[in-house]
Amino acid sequence: DTGVSQDPRHKITKRGQNVTFRCDPISEHNRLYWYRQTLGQGPEFLTYFQNEAQLEKSRLLSDRFSAERPKGSFSTLEIQRTEQGDSAMYLCASSGRSRGLNNNQPQHFGDGTRLSIL
Amino acid sequence: AQRVTQPEKLLSVFKGAPVELKCNYSYSGSPELFWYVQYSRQRLQLLLRHISRESIKGFTADLNKGETSFHLKKPFAQEEDSAMYYCALSVGSSYKLIFGSGTRLLVRP
Repeated sequence: DTGVSQDPRHKITKRGQNVTFRCDPISEHNRLYWYRQTLGQGPEFLTYFQNEAQLEKSRLLSDRFSAERPKGSFSTLEIQRTEQGDSAMYLCASSGRSRGLNNNQPQHFGDGTRLSIL
Repeated sequence: AQRVTQPEKLLSVFKGAPVELKCNYSYSGSPELFWYVQYSRQRLQLLLRHISRESIKGFTADLNKGETSFHLKKPFAQEEDSAMYYCALSVGSSYKLIFGSGTRLLVRP
């Protein structure tokens, strides 16, 4: 298992364009998270999937952002009509099923997709 | 409010010196805390979690609910410990992580 995989690693686009990122979690991990990280800050939570269901979205996730996990495996994050403020590192993380009494399994992160808006 | 504070952006020590990276949290529920580390050109990875009460790479962290702190400590720093360290609080039914802004540890020879 190569861990969480994200594609592309870098994306440069013009303001107003749409972009889509992909995340392949560790196989059999049922939980998937998207975070955004800007310079000098820690990652900030965007959204959470359990299997194919999107169960939580941050207020940071404006209407221009949409995420899917259609078959409970890979996930996509789309940003429509990109703005300068969307420039950031977008991180995906996954975690596995509960083990015994411990429902909170550690999250494993991908390398991220760095988005630059011109 | 749910918040994690790491007051130091940069901590510079000499090899062999003790290290303490500070982390304070604000959370009304029962906290579950983690330390993540990011080495140069590598992905964010879990270093340790408070419920495990284990030592990883010589690092330990004790949850102090009275002081709402989860400081990371190592008695003798090594050059390979140089990295970015993030304290994180897991909250809610999603177990989403709330991160501090990170502390860069620089261990000088």
